[in-house]
Amino acid sequence: NAGVTQTPKFQVLKTGQSMTLQCAQDMNHNSMYWYRQDPGMGLRLIYYSASEGTTDKGEVPNGYNVSRLNKREFSLRLESAAPSQTSVYFCASSEVLKGTSYTFGSGTRLTVV
Amino acid sequence: EDQVTQSPEALRLQEGESSSLNCSYTVSGLRGLFWYRQDPGKGPEFLFTLYSAGEEKEKERLKATLTKKESFLHITAPKPEDSATYLCAVQAGGLDSGNTPLVFGKGTRLSVIA
Repeated sequence: NAGVTQTPKFQVLKTGQSMTLQCAQDMNHNSMYWYRQDPGMGLRLIYYSASEGTTDKGEVPNGYNVSRLNKREFSLRLESAAPSQTSVYFCASSEVLKGTSYTFGSGTRLTVV
Repeated sequence: EDQVTQSPEALRLQEGESSSLNCSYTVSGLRGLFWYRQDPGKGPEFLFTLYSAGEEKEKERLKATLTKKESFLHITAPKPEDSATYLCAVQAGGLDSGNTPLVFGKGTRLSVIA
């Protein structure tokens, strides 16, 4: 099915470990986003890429890095995981048009112990 | 700073009991207001986009309306399968502001009891 694919779906890390969350979309969208969702906090933007070759910080970028590998793929890296990064991470994509809706992946549930 | 506030945080309805969810927003130039549905363990799923005050959109038992300060998601005669978290989001900026990311509210968790 067309859409946004995130891997892995679940991950447990120890404090200080690193990992990369992968995201790929097959809708030829220009823009891609990484959000985190925590209980009582809603969806908060970590980083986004308005188009291939550009990335910008969102509301909560500290502790994360991103790479827009090509038009399809946008990865999120945790260099040294902390318990505060325990969350559900969602990748989304959209076209660069007024009012265009986002298509979300199914999420990665990350626990840092 | 762009802000979205949703109320109530949680709502419990009997099947067939109509109600409304509220989304209040402050934004520097509204490009669009979005409603999403999110089921447990899944990503948000798009429902509606509203662009200007007075606009209304409907889908099955859901109807979204927009004023200059808030949006309502009206649920008519809900069924248990309407149980989900409903998210509101805004996209800010004028015509030349580019593709600014969506700012989301914290959501309303709706439970419909048979």
